[in-house]
Amino acid sequence: GAGVSQSPRYKVAKRGQDVALRCDPISGHVSLFWYQQALGQGPEFLTYFQNEAQLDKSGLPSDRFFAERPEGSVSTLKIQRTQQEDSAVYLCASSLLRNSPLHFGNGTRLTVT
Amino acid sequence: GNSVTQMEGPVTLSEEAFLTINCTYTATGYPSLFWYVQYPGEGLQLLLKATKADDKGSNKGFEATYRKETTSFHLEKGSVQVSDSAVYFCALSEKQQGGSEKLVFGKGTKLTVNP
Repeated sequence: GAGVSQSPRYKVAKRGQDVALRCDPISGHVSLFWYQQALGQGPEFLTYFQNEAQLDKSGLPSDRFFAERPEGSVSTLKIQRTQQEDSAVYLCASSLLRNSPLHFGNGTRLTVT
Repeated sequence: GNSVTQMEGPVTLSEEAFLTINCTYTATGYPSLFWYVQYPGEGLQLLLKATKADDKGSNKGFEATYRKETTSFHLEKGSVQVSDSAVYFCALSEKQQGGSEKLVFGKGTKLTVNP
């Protein structure tokens, strides 16, 4: 497809489980962002990649959160030992160049029970 | 830090009514300002933007003017349609380490337009 694709669309995890969320950006897009959107809130920045380099991870809420983009295209956001407060929609966005318009995926809704 | 405050919803209007969604911001420097829209079941989409004071962004009949003196970027539309029903997010860009410009979002305002 032409847009940013995220999978799975929905994920239910029991507290303490590890999860991995995948983002397929638009082909050729250099920049990739992850955002977290809690219920009733706006998205909040988690981390930024330029190609395979993670240039900013200042928004990751704890060391349980880890993101990678090893070949500069697909990215994975991993959350270890999930907690209830991790329940949110995780959004991925990509752009062609550093400050080009962002294209958002539909998100992965994570529910931790 | 930088922040965005937008009018709480939900907002319910009849078709062809006038829409205003207020947005104010706090920022150091001169950020770019954005309105994003999220239609039901879809991802966030850029609706319009303005990059400097007094700029007016417009798209699909929506407008917003970057007002530095009042630190505002209110969204307006003269005549809404049922298809405008969505959640609207005001945002500003904030320069980050590594050269990226991350977005800082407001909480969103849900708009429902009834026929």
